[in-house]
Amino acid sequence: GAVVSQHPSRVICKSGTSVKIECRSLDFQATTMFWYRQFPKQSLMLMATSNEGSKATYEQGVEKDKFLINHASLTLSTLTVTSAHPEDSSFYICSAQGATDTQYFGPGTRLTVL
Amino acid sequence: GENVEQHPSTLSVQEGDSAVIKCTYSDSASNYFPWYKQELGKGPQLIIDIRSNVGEKKDQRIAVTLNKTAKHFSLHITETQPEDSAVYFCAGAGGTSYGKLTFGQGTILTVHP
Repeated sequence: GAVVSQHPSRVICKSGTSVKIECRSLDFQATTMFWYRQFPKQSLMLMATSNEGSKATYEQGVEKDKFLINHASLTLSTLTVTSAHPEDSSFYICSAQGATDTQYFGPGTRLTVL
Repeated sequence: GENVEQHPSTLSVQEGDSAVIKCTYSDSASNYFPWYKQELGKGPQLIIDIRSNVGEKKDQRIAVTLNKTAKHFSLHITETQPEDSAVYFCAGAGGTSYGKLTFGQGTILTVHP
């Protein structure tokens, strides 16, 4: 149980384009989903917290207009990186939280912006 | 907010030895402390967690201890195997962080056959 999927696993895009990443909880309802980014050899940095049906809460320093988060259902949250630039290249990971405070993580999405 | 410090940053052991990773936290109101294992190119996998009303928890070769007074918790892996090689992260949540996880810096564990 407690499986979280992400799609795509890898994406390469040109500078200036937008990329959408999906995060799904496959076998439980996630009232809260979190989005993290991780640079090589570093820890996970929380970007934002999203609750189903409400606006996401962004961490300090994260541009909400650049990283659009939608949590339309209890099993799906999406992160859209708008007008991506090479500095946005990173490993993006989501996590889902159900009835308890335990967070289950997805496999991550490797974004490369050329 | 919460601050979690993790040590050591790298740990190298021989197969069969024990490995210990230690973390300290700053927010005395934190009440949930999970440990995650992350393999290269993958997402973190929850391996064990402990809550503030428990001092120790064990699951086969893995154990976690919590000292609330000193605000530190530790991961113990016994009889290490090469497949235990990965990056391990501790985290803290609860209190003023409202359920958000604050991660430690990570420990690269290498188990030599």
